[in-house]
Amino acid sequence: DGGITQSPKYLFRKEGQNVTLSCEQNLNHDAMYWYRQDPGQGLRLIYYSQIVNDFQKGDIAEGYSVSREKKESFPLTVTSAQKNPTAFYLCASNRDVTKNIQYFGAGTRLSVL
Amino acid sequence: GQNIDQPTEMTATEGAIVQINCTYQTSGFNGLFWYQQHAGEAPTFLSYNVLDGLEEKGRFSSFLSRSKGYSYLLLKELQMKDSASYLCAVRALRNYGQNFVFGPGTRLSVLP
Repeated sequence: DGGITQSPKYLFRKEGQNVTLSCEQNLNHDAMYWYRQDPGQGLRLIYYSQIVNDFQKGDIAEGYSVSREKKESFPLTVTSAQKNPTAFYLCASNRDVTKNIQYFGAGTRLSVL
Repeated sequence: GQNIDQPTEMTATEGAIVQINCTYQTSGFNGLFWYQQHAGEAPTFLSYNVLDGLEEKGRFSSFLSRSKGYSYLLLKELQMKDSASYLCAVRALRNYGQNFVFGPGTRLSVLP
C-alpha cells in the first residue's frame, strides 16, 4: 500500500537533546512538508521541500533542521534550540508544490521529559 | 496577512445536517481544501474547491465564494463516526512561495 510513514509515534526529549523524527513516503511525490500542530491552533509549516537536495523554511523554522537526500525521505531534527518542542508533528507530501491534495502521515507526538 | 477563521466547536445530532463555515483572507488564492482529523490521527482529505460553487461527494458537500472569501462544509445524515475536527486550508501565496494556510479547525461532536 502506498502512503506516508512517520516514526516513532511517541517520542520523549530530554533537556539539551536533539531528536530526529522520521518521515518516509512511497507515493513517488516530489514535495514533502513538516507541520507542527498545537491545541487550538492550525497546522503551522516548519519546512518544506519541492525536490531532492532542496528545502525551504516555513513559518516556524527556528530550532528545527531538515535534510532531503532521497526522494522518499524527509527527516526533521528538533534541536536543543527549540525551547518549546512539545507538540504533534505531521509530515505530508504531494506530487509537486503547485498541485492539489496533500497526504499526511499518522504523526509523531513529541514531549519533553 | 494570511488568516483563516472557523468556529472552534459545534455539536449536532445523529442523522442531522451540519454546516461548518470558513472565512479566509489570503493573497494569491489557489484553492480551498477541507480535511477531517480524528483525535491523534492524520488529517484525511475530504474536498477541494478552486472555482465558485458547490462540490458534492456523497454525504459531504463543500461550497466556495471567492469574492466573499467564504466556504462551508456540509455534512448530511450525520453519523457518530463523523465526530472529529474539520480543518479548512487555503493554498495561497506566502512570503516563501505558494503554500498552504490552515485554519484552527472545528471540533464537531455528534450526539446520539
